[in-house]
This record gives sequence, C-alpha cells and structure tokens, in this order.
Amino acid sequence: DQQVKQNSPSLSVQEGRISILNCDYTNSMFDYFLWYKKYPAEGPTFLISISSIKDKNEDGRFTVFLNKSAKHLSLHIVPSQPGDSAVYFCAASAHLSGSARQLTFGSGTQLTVLP
Amino acid sequence: SAVISQKPSRDICQRGTSLTIQCQVDSQVTMMFWYRQQPGQSLTLIATANQGSEATYESGFVIDKFPISRPNLTFSTLTVSNMSPEDSSIYLCSVGANPYGELFFGEGSRLTVL
Repeated sequence: DQQVKQNSPSLSVQEGRISILNCDYTNSMFDYFLWYKKYPAEGPTFLISISSIKDKNEDGRFTVFLNKSAKHLSLHIVPSQPGDSAVYFCAASAHLSGSARQLTFGSGTQLTVLP
Repeated sequence: SAVISQKPSRDICQRGTSLTIQCQVDSQVTMMFWYRQQPGQSLTLIATANQGSEATYESGFVIDKFPISRPNLTFSTLTVSNMSPEDSSIYLCSVGANPYGELFFGEGSRLTVL
C-alpha cells in the first residue's frame, strides 16, 4: 500500500517555463511534507517543506502547495532552469510516539529541463 | 547541516557474498537511518540505528540479512548478507535535521549483485 504516490515518473519542460510536480497521499496522519531533489550519484537533498497547517510555502523559485482536503501537494518551479534537472521525491512525515517520526517517500519524478 | 560520507560509493558483488557499507557523520547524532532505493522505486527505511542499543528494523527487513553496527555517535555500518540480485540497490545513510523528519543523506552506495 503506497501511502505517498508520485504518479508521473518523468516530466520534461522548456527552460524558463513552470515545472509542476505532483504528489498524492492517503494517510491523514501525515502533518508535514517535504520535497527532496536527487542528482545522479548523490544522496537526496532537502529542498522545501510545508506544515499541514499551511497551504503554501515559498522559497525563491520553489513553491509548495498543499490541498489537505484532496490529500494532494505540488511543487512549482518557476522559472525552470537546466540545473533543476533531477529526480524529485515527495515525502510525508507522521508523528509516531514520543519524539519519533516516520518519513514515507514517493517513488520520485525525473524532471528534465530542456535548454 | 551534517556532512555524511559513505563507503563504498559503488561495488559489484557476487551472489552469496556479503558487503559492509560504512557511514561517517561529521557530528555526533543520536539516531542514524539506513534506507534502500531499488531501481525506479521510492526510498524505503531499512532500520534506525541508535548508539548503544540494537537497531530497530522496519517490516520486511531482518537483522540476519541486514546486520547493523553503531559503535559510537558518528559512525555506523550496514551489512548486506548473502546477497542476491534482488539486493541490487542504492543504500543510503541519513541523519535527522529537525524534529519534523527532515533528513540529511549520504551520497549513497550503489550495489550491483551478479
């Protein structure tokens, strides 16, 4: 049972245009959401996050939107640059017990930004 | 931030052998996490390694197959035992960045089992 789904394995966009990466989740206990970027031969790096009490968080060219009723979040990159070409993982965090949290990842979307 | 180094970065192994992956962090951390990323799949948590206690394994992962050591607050090892081609994956070490689940990752160890 995939609790975090990224239904698009790949996405291609033209340089300068907007990239929209989507993520759906099923577990209503998730209260914190994160996006990671991964280049080949490197580990994932944290990009941006959003708490469930918000519906938008912006950091430069990157904006994450959260729609709790639809259990959907999206990452917008504008304008897209060739250096943004990477695999993007959506992740969702739920509180377990005490201070422990569990992070569940989606399967990733390969973004290719064409010059 | 934390700098995490993993060794080896990649290896090609024969079926039935075992390989130990090392993870070194540049600061002391309580918990270290080992993830696996199979080809085209998401990152899956194998186990959480706490210093001074046994590792906690996730469903589907057992200590006999993936023994973990955590001798101090900056170092951990993961062994992939009796490897089969299904174990071909990227294995990633990570540490927590904040209480909400944000993680720092090592560069990963790509294992190919023939």
